[in-house]
Amino acid sequence: GAVVSQHPSWVICKSGTSVKIECRSLDFQATTMFWYRQFPKQSLMLMATSNEGSKATYEQGVEKDKFLINHASLTLSTLTVTSAHPEDSSFYICSASPPGGTDTQYFGPGTRLTVL
Amino acid sequence: KNEVEQSPQNLTAQEGEFITINCSYSVGISALHWLQQHPGGGIVSLFMLSSGKKKHGRLIATINIQEKHSSLHITASHPRDSAVYICAVRPWGGGSQGNLIFGKGTKLSVKP
Repeated sequence: GAVVSQHPSWVICKSGTSVKIECRSLDFQATTMFWYRQFPKQSLMLMATSNEGSKATYEQGVEKDKFLINHASLTLSTLTVTSAHPEDSSFYICSASPPGGTDTQYFGPGTRLTVL
Repeated sequence: KNEVEQSPQNLTAQEGEFITINCSYSVGISALHWLQQHPGGGIVSLFMLSSGKKKHGRLIATINIQEKHSSLHITASHPRDSAVYICAVRPWGGGSQGNLIFGKGTKLSVKP
């Protein structure tokens, strides 16, 4: 099946620094990628929809200046958490959809961010 | 009340048992996903359904659109099946494909 990778799988950073997380579709072109966040013992929540070559669409309550999304190519989307704070510590997961407008999504393995 | 309810929340089974996890939802949907999340957090897509039944190895997923209900079955369960199983639905007219509504998950532990 299709594979989506994320890098890094985990990261620890100091408060105030920025962290970049990469999401790659390894064997298909993804015109649309999605970024989710999961707090401990809670459900995944959609943060934003990333479209190749255009600005991301953010869900209500998600600060676009804090969570910068860049979808520079059909196989790569990046999420940068700027000026990270301990409350940003979470599990960040991306998914990707192949072209064709279907509901198919392939999920990445996730990135665990811990901000000290 | 959550729009996606899963039952049970926790399930402990002996190796070899047949397992059923249920998902009920209250909105019209275009698709339903079953996901598996391992203790380390990584998520694997198991199935995407819009009708009927799908089978992959020891896993079977069914959906009844009229009753707004889906089940995930695991036959001949094994300790490596231990994980959290998550049901997620894409509501009709829900805009972005990623705008899924997730259940809270069912934590399955299979004992040897």
